[in-house]
Amino acid sequence: GQQVMQIPQYQHVQEGEDFTTYCNSSTTLSNIQWYKQRPGGHPVFLIQLVKSGEVKKQKRLTFQFGEAKKNSSLHITATQTTDVGTYFCAGPSGAGSYQLTFGKGTKLSVIP
Amino acid sequence: EAGVAQSPRYKIIEKRQSVAFWCNPISGHATLYWYQQILGQGPKLLIQFQNNGVVDDSQLPKDRFSAERLKGVDSTLKIQPAKLEDSAVYLCASSPRLSGSVEPKNIQYFGAGTRLSVL
Repeated sequence: GQQVMQIPQYQHVQEGEDFTTYCNSSTTLSNIQWYKQRPGGHPVFLIQLVKSGEVKKQKRLTFQFGEAKKNSSLHITATQTTDVGTYFCAGPSGAGSYQLTFGKGTKLSVIP
Repeated sequence: EAGVAQSPRYKIIEKRQSVAFWCNPISGHATLYWYQQILGQGPKLLIQFQNNGVVDDSQLPKDRFSAERLKGVDSTLKIQPAKLEDSAVYLCASSPRLSGSVEPKNIQYFGAGTRLSVL
């Protein structure tokens, strides 16, 4: 079945440093979604990317979808303590599927 | 708009006991999902409902897990009997699942989850 892999599993950064997490799929994706889960919380939808090579920005967060639609990245500029949490990418489980396969996530810690 | 409601928030049981979780999705959301999230991992889909019908339950351990969504609104997930490895957070999510000419976004809205500890 489809696999979605994320690296790194953990990242500790000093407040103000940048952070990037990478997501790779074993298959081509029609779209990719990113979710954030705060400690003790539940996943919250951040963004969906659909087009090959698409780049979207949300304030300090930049999301990219690869040209081959098999990989994606999330980059946070100048991290803040409010960015702490686990970031998950998720892709459709199959062609035309409304189910999502989640990666294992990247847990971000920000040192004040 | 009210979010996805789940109860209870926490549950501690002994192995071989039974437990049930309840979920009320966002009003009007036709699609409902149950996920299992083990510590340090991403959510893993257990079952997907569309209205009151099961779309996919291929990853549901049917010898011990069951789920229903009788009236196409709220849903229950049951484990009987529980095992130690069932300790996890059980998340419910719903999706409006837009169709037709609009790009289906299948964005999922999660509830706060039920943290289950099996001793």
